[in-house]
Amino acid sequence: GAGVSQSPSNKVTEKGKDVELRCDPISGHTALYWYRQSLGQGLEFLIYFQGNSAPDKSGLPSDRFSAERTGGSVSTLTIQRTQQEDSAVYLCASSLEGWADTQYFGPGTRLTVL
Amino acid sequence: AQSVTQPDIHITVSEGASLELRCNYSYGATPYLFWYVQSPGQGLQLLLKYFSGDTLVQGIKGFEAEFKRSQSSFNLRKPSVHWSDAAEYFCAVGAGNAGNMLTFGGGTRLMVKP
Repeated sequence: GAGVSQSPSNKVTEKGKDVELRCDPISGHTALYWYRQSLGQGLEFLIYFQGNSAPDKSGLPSDRFSAERTGGSVSTLTIQRTQQEDSAVYLCASSLEGWADTQYFGPGTRLTVL
Repeated sequence: AQSVTQPDIHITVSEGASLELRCNYSYGATPYLFWYVQSPGQGLQLLLKYFSGDTLVQGIKGFEAEFKRSQSSFNLRKPSVHWSDAAEYFCAVGAGNAGNMLTFGGGTRLMVKP
């Protein structure tokens, strides 16, 4: 079946612009995660959605970052007033029920802020 | 807070040689432990996971890992490496009462010599 998809695959933007990154999880997966992978770094947790519960936003680095998940499916990560340090690969993952389940990762969106 | 350390940033082995990738974690109780692999141009894929029970866990692609509580380690092993194993490997730890996410190590990049 279809895996996790993300769009766009690459995004180049100018400092100060807003960007939106999209994630389509595997159908039926109730849990969705966003991570950030900076060059040469591990994965940094950003935000976690589980069903209809309030999202866990504890990993968002600043109030310029926000995310929503509509209808328990598609999620959008928005970065306002982008900065050069936001340049990274943004990964989305989904799992059947929660963090302890196998997380299936999308291919990522590579964001470059000039 | 939980943390994960992968001491080796890069490892090079010859094809056919054995492999061991190190992972040390910090957490007060028994954590949930994972190994993921990120091949060039691919998303992260789960190799194996440990929750409880037998401390030697078998995974896909011929990999195994052993949980050693006394050493706070969860090292990944493979008896004979194939050129297709060249990738970046991430160890991760999760614990429900420490947040709804996985904490990833910085990764180990494996190169395989012919």
